Amino acid sequence: GAVVSQHPSWVICKSGTSVKIECRSLDFQATTMFWYRQFPKQSLMLMATSNEGSKATYEQGVEKDKFLINHASLTLSTLTVTSAHPEDSSFYICSARDSETSGSYEQYFGPGTRLTVT
Amino acid sequence: QQQVKQSPQSLIVQKGGISIINCAYENTAFDYFPWYQQFPGKGPALLIAIRPDVSEKKEGRFTISFNKSAKQFSLHIMDSQPGDSATYFCAASRTSGYSTLTFGKGTMLLVSP
Repeated sequence: GAVVSQHPSWVICKSGTSVKIECRSLDFQATTMFWYRQFPKQSLMLMATSNEGSKATYEQGVEKDKFLINHASLTLSTLTVTSAHPEDSSFYICSARDSETSGSYEQYFGPGTRLTVT
Repeated sequence: QQQVKQSPQSLIVQKGGISIINCAYENTAFDYFPWYQQFPGKGPALLIAIRPDVSEKKEGRFTISFNKSAKQFSLHIMDSQPGDSATYFCAASRTSGYSTLTFGKGTMLLVSP
């Protein structure tokens, strides 16, 4: 149980274009999902917290107009990188918190999406 | 107050040995301490977690030791295997209210055959 998927696993896009990454909780409902960014040999950096049916909460320094987050259902959150630039190239990882299990606070992570902007 | 300090940055252990990774936190409001294992190109996977009401938790070859007064916790991997070679992250969070994970910087573990 507690499986989180991401799609695509790997994407290359040209500078100036937009790319959408999907995060799905496959066997549980997730009121809250999180988006992280990870550079090589570094830790995970939280970008934003995504709450179903409401606006995402962005961490300081993260451009909300550049990284659009939509959490339209209890099993799906999307991250759209708009007008991508080479410096946006990174490993993007989502996680989800099980909202069906009372008192649950574990976060389950997706497999990540490698974005390369050329 | 929000930092979680992790050490060592890298670790080489011989097969069959014990791997020990340490973390220290500052925020006394933290009450959930998970460890994640991450292989290259993959997302982190929850390995084991502990709450402050116990001083030790063991799952198979993995043990968390927790020292509330020192605000420290550690991961012990017994009988380390080459397949354990990965990056390990400790984290901390509150279980109440709006809470996000605060991660340590990670430890790259290499278990030599």
